[in-house]
Amino acid sequence: AQSVAQPEDQVNVAEGNPLTVKCTYSVSGNPYLFWYVQYPNRGLQFLLKYITGDNLVKGSYGFEAEFNKSQTSFHLKKPSALVSDSALYFCAVRGLTGANNLFFGTGTRLTVIP
Amino acid sequence: EAQVTQNPRYLITVTGKKLTVTCSQNMNHEYMSWYRQDPGLGLRQIYYSMNVEVTDKGDVPEGYKVSRKEKRNFPLILESPSPNQTSLYFCASSFAGSNTGELFFGEGSRLTVL
Repeated sequence: AQSVAQPEDQVNVAEGNPLTVKCTYSVSGNPYLFWYVQYPNRGLQFLLKYITGDNLVKGSYGFEAEFNKSQTSFHLKKPSALVSDSALYFCAVRGLTGANNLFFGTGTRLTVIP
Repeated sequence: EAQVTQNPRYLITVTGKKLTVTCSQNMNHEYMSWYRQDPGLGLRQIYYSMNVEVTDKGDVPEGYKVSRKEKRNFPLILESPSPNQTSLYFCASSFAGSNTGELFFGEGSRLTVL
């Protein structure tokens, strides 16, 4: 079965510092991995995806994610955090039943401290 | 503006009183899905639809019904709500042929069942 795990419920980082939000995956076959962000009182927004190709994927708002097959990880990163990056971040993996059936992790709350 | 619209955004009801949460999208998407979000559990899929008159169960379908009579609408029906259905609900949509995993989410509907 497809699943992702986000080991940290909360990540705090100072503004201007690099940030990392962790995600590991367990899949049958090739992984199709995604990151979504949820701002307060809003729906989820797509950030980036890994389907195939380069292990470093660039997405919206300056975020990027590194796919590591040997460690089965897909960590979200940003070189310099902004206060406006504070939000809830979800890692997701495509299910086996359909192209857009995604299985989400439990979420990581990122707080960027001014 | 491309959007997924859910109504109501907030609802407090009592056990056993049937309710419907509507979802409408204006992007001509074939695929639509319902998720519920609970603290510590992330998002879990309730039902999804690949096209008109085609629906299927997700991971947590018990206590819910859906219908897809029109392409743009995908209502979620709780025939006899119970307190364990208190949750934040999200509708999402995308093109069925898309392999990107980029779902478009509504703003969410917060349901409380007393």
